[in-house]
Amino acid sequence: LAKTTQPISMDSYEGQEVNITCSHNNIATNDYITWYQQFPSQGPRFIIQGYKTKVTNEVASLFIPADRKSSTLSLPRVSLSDTAVYYCLVGDIGDKLIFGTGTRLQVFP
Amino acid sequence: DVKVTQSSRYLVKRTGEKVFLECVQDMDHENMFWYRQDPGLGLRLIYFSYDVKMKEKGDIPEGYSVSREKKERFSLILESASTNQTSMYLCASSLYPASGAGPDTQYFGPGTRLTVL
Repeated sequence: LAKTTQPISMDSYEGQEVNITCSHNNIATNDYITWYQQFPSQGPRFIIQGYKTKVTNEVASLFIPADRKSSTLSLPRVSLSDTAVYYCLVGDIGDKLIFGTGTRLQVFP
Repeated sequence: DVKVTQSSRYLVKRTGEKVFLECVQDMDHENMFWYRQDPGLGLRLIYFSYDVKMKEKGDIPEGYSVSREKKERFSLILESASTNQTSMYLCASSLYPASGAGPDTQYFGPGTRLTVL
């Protein structure tokens, strides 16, 4: 399974756009990129998944360049409630999920 | 909405005790998982199960066992609890085959924070 690298932590202020980049240089042809979000004292929850180009849902956008060696999770106009740990995972159907330590996002008023 | 429940949010046990952590999901998912989460180490997979009475070792199965007698219930067992098993334990479930392309989406419970004294 491809290894992912993402920043340990990020700070932001309410109303700003936050972009979290994940590096996955060894991504395989059939791998998808998935992001999970974990609030304190809760289990992770799925937020978005993509294969290439751009995916958008009600929570976030995911940008994937043509070479797919990295991806960027974009959170528009964050609020205090977006303070969480964000995990980037790479894998194919049926693969075990490998959670790293994620990126701890702190949003300030 | 998928609901995954865990029997306790907080649990305190003594070294050597046998500990049962229960997990129940209500969406008829085939796959169920147990993870532990420790600061600086992320989530690590202990065991998983693809069907009733089936189990597979994850990355750190030592000191643990599991039981899946019914599809909706997956139990994690610490045969003889030790202090290094103090951790947050997370249960998850997913549908197989996945409803779309890519890895199956896992739905997590709220976690059980276990302290072994």
